Amino acid sequence: AQSVSQHNHHVILSEAASLELGCNYSYGGTVNLFWYVQYPGQHLQLLLKYFSGDPLVKGIKGFEAEFIKSKFSFNLRKPSVQWSDTAEYFCAVTRTSGTYKYIFGTGTRLKVLA
Amino acid sequence: DAGVTQSPTHLIKTRGQHVTLRCSPISGHKSVSWYQQVLGQGPQFIFQYYEKEERGRGNFPDRFSARQFPNYSSELNVNALLLGDSALYLCASSPLGKFDTQYFGPGTRLTVL
Repeated sequence: AQSVSQHNHHVILSEAASLELGCNYSYGGTVNLFWYVQYPGQHLQLLLKYFSGDPLVKGIKGFEAEFIKSKFSFNLRKPSVQWSDTAEYFCAVTRTSGTYKYIFGTGTRLKVLA
Repeated sequence: DAGVTQSPTHLIKTRGQHVTLRCSPISGHKSVSWYQQVLGQGPQFIFQYYEKEERGRGNFPDRFSARQFPNYSSELNVNALLLGDSALYLCASSPLGKFDTQYFGPGTRLTVL
């Protein structure tokens, strides 16, 4: 069955530290990949997405993610975090063919200390 | 533009009852999806509807059903409520059907006593 794993459930960083959140999926076919973010008191919103092409994608607020097909991974990165990046981050995957399902990981709660 | 709206915001029911949750998509969006989010977990996909037809279904029992109306709004129905159905129910809309960015609403918090 298709699944998404986020290995870091809670991450605490100081401002200006670098961030990398892991995301691995299990599905052998072609996929679309997403990172969503939920800031405190706000709705889930898209951070970035990968459909095809350059495996390094850039999103809002300085975030980027790299799709490594051989590792079934789509890790999220930011060179220097800010206090305002405190949020919960979710990785999500959909297949590009077959029965539609949108699979989310369990989320990573990031706290950035000022 | 208004975002995805959901009603009600909060709901308390007892075991065995039935509940209907409602969702209005962003204007121009033809697809609506429903998710269940339990505390500490990511959203779990329940259904997707596109142009009033069910296009995808997650691993939920038949007690869960949904429909989409001609104006693209949607209802999620849950029968014979169980304590384990207590969760945040999220609705998301997207312009097209499959594989698209999901635009989420604020959710309906359902508590089953």
